[in-house]
Amino acid sequence: EIVLTQSPGTLSLSPGERATLSCRASQSVSSSYLAWYQQRPGQAPRLLIHTTSRRATGVPDRFSGSGSGTDFTLTISRLEPEDFAVYYCQKYGTPPFTFGPGTKVDIK
Amino acid sequence: EVQLVESGGGLVQPGGSLRLSCAASGFNINDFNMNWVRQAPGKGLEWISYLGGTSGGTYYADSVRGRFTISRDKAKNSLFLQMNSLRDEDTAVYYCATYIIPAYWGQGTLVTVSS
Repeated sequence: EIVLTQSPGTLSLSPGERATLSCRASQSVSSSYLAWYQQRPGQAPRLLIHTTSRRATGVPDRFSGSGSGTDFTLTISRLEPEDFAVYYCQKYGTPPFTFGPGTKVDIK
Repeated sequence: EVQLVESGGGLVQPGGSLRLSCAASGFNINDFNMNWVRQAPGKGLEWISYLGGTSGGTYYADSVRGRFTISRDKAKNSLFLQMNSLRDEDTAVYYCATYIIPAYWGQGTLVTVSS
């Protein structure tokens, strides 16, 4: 079973700054089946990125995903006030469709 | 408008059972692969079950296999999760969602397992 690790646990930044979030898998993620979600307090998760780097419908282009194999990155180029939230990576394709533990992006 | 609405959550004693429902509108649930995902209070997301749209194949996380059963009713356009032998650690908000894309998620239903 593939285990996902996310770092850092918490990222404290100011609006306008760049955020770089990491997701590392214990084994290679096949076919780049790696997704990223945003979750704001009291809300359901929202898909941001699938297949490592493809933005979901309606997601602003300040969000980008990259990586391959076991190392993946979500980058938010310039943080907007609504981007302060928790971000999860998830592997899919072959079950179990494990989530990482999350990275909280909070206001510095 | 596409919508997923979960129901059936509530308070149940350890060892008890509960059946969650997820009513879909705006799309045909039978055409999509579906998931149940849960989130314990203050914790992260946990994928727990999958149902293939065309294949009907099912998968479960180790934490629920043998206790939970995913199913659907094509006529009602609804997804279900039958939960048996519930434990304290099953306390969570339960979300139904499509499998990755298109990304449709419900708002969740809270299940509390406590004596």
